[in-house]
Amino acid sequence: GAVVSQHPSWVICKSGTSVKIECRSLDFQATTMFWYRQFPKQSLMLMATSNEGSKATYEQGVEKDKFLINHASLTLSTLTVTSAHPEDSSFYICSASQTFTDTQYFGPGTRLTVL
Amino acid sequence: ELKVEQNPLFLSMQEGKNYTIYCNYSTTSDRLYWYRQDPGKSLESLFVLLSNGAVKQEGRLMASLDTKARLSTLHITAAVHDLSATYFCAGHAGGTSYGKLTFGQGTILTVHP
Repeated sequence: GAVVSQHPSWVICKSGTSVKIECRSLDFQATTMFWYRQFPKQSLMLMATSNEGSKATYEQGVEKDKFLINHASLTLSTLTVTSAHPEDSSFYICSASQTFTDTQYFGPGTRLTVL
Repeated sequence: ELKVEQNPLFLSMQEGKNYTIYCNYSTTSDRLYWYRQDPGKSLESLFVLLSNGAVKQEGRLMASLDTKARLSTLHITAAVHDLSATYFCAGHAGGTSYGKLTFGQGTILTVHP
């Protein structure tokens, strides 16, 4: 149980285009989802916290107009990288928490390459 | 603000040897997680430690938590090649930061024959 999926698993796009990444909790309802970014050989950095039905809370230094997060249902959150540039190339990982529990379940990640 | 530091950042071990990875954190953390990450993959949960003195073991890995020293350790016993991966610890500050994890830098473990 407690499976989180991400789609796509990898994406290559041209500079200036927008890319949407989906994060789904497959067998549980996730009140809260988290979006992380990981550059090569670095740690995970939290980008934003997403609560179902409300606006996401962004970490300091993360541009909310560039990284649009929508958490429209208890099983789906999306991250849209708008006007992507090569420096946005990274591994994006989401995690989800079950309602009233503490455990975060991590998705498999999405590798974004911006040319 | 919670800060988490791991050491060493790189660890090269021979098979059969023992070693410990250390995870220090700066302020109160109401729980401490250990994760494993293989190259190109996401995180695999290893342990969650909830209280002072907590010790958990799974196979050749054992994790402990000392909340007074703000220190968690991941001990590797008789390392095997399959343990080669990057290991992260993560703290949880709680309170207004409920649910947010702060990760250490990661320790890249390589086990040699």
